[in-house]
Amino acid sequence: NAGVTQTPKFQVLKTGQSMTLQCAQDMNHNSMYWYRQDPGMGLRLIYYSASEGTTDKGEVPNGYNVSRLNKREFSLRLESAAPSQTSVYFCASSEAPSGRGGTGELFFGEGSRLTVL
Amino acid sequence: GNSVTQMEGPVTLSEEAFLTINCTYTATGYPSLFWYVQYPGEGLQLLLKATKADDKGSNKGFEATYRKETTSFHLEKGSVQVSDSAVYFCALSASGAQKLVFGQGTRLTINP
Repeated sequence: NAGVTQTPKFQVLKTGQSMTLQCAQDMNHNSMYWYRQDPGMGLRLIYYSASEGTTDKGEVPNGYNVSRLNKREFSLRLESAAPSQTSVYFCASSEAPSGRGGTGELFFGEGSRLTVL
Repeated sequence: GNSVTQMEGPVTLSEEAFLTINCTYTATGYPSLFWYVQYPGEGLQLLLKATKADDKGSNKGFEATYRKETTSFHLEKGSVQVSDSAVYFCALSASGAQKLVFGQGTRLTINP
């Protein structure tokens, strides 16, 4: 059982280049999330998708776009990368929020390490 | 709003020492509470959880009890090992809320 799969695992970009981080889950979860984690810091939510067809901004959405392609896949796009976007990006999924048929538990991918020069 | 406050790190202990990492929360209603662990170079994985007051979550020798009267969910382990070195995150999921609220994380280092 693969769980949450992210690609690529590592990427180096130059300032101004674009790229898309891919995420897929095989647990039939409704909700999906993108976080970033900077050195020595906790997690910050970029965007999330409560269900197929919907997306919402998190704490730090500027410079990013997302697409919920179908129930399984949720991609994160950097249109014009900046050095401030150097970070580790985590995708996560959840069956349902606490009190709505689930516990709110998140399942995380292994991360995508992005460096912008 | 909902929030989680964790004991600041880093925390350094010797092998076989007793561990406590404090976590307190603010939330409306009855949230679910979680501890996640992140080993070096890896993603977060669920360590344990509790979904109602007085529940005790446990896994790999770690325990945490959901205390509504003190709004706490402290993580404990009786005898830590070098392999427990990691970053630990406390989190809550408020009832009906779409997003988890995370604490800032506590880095734990266990020396042999």
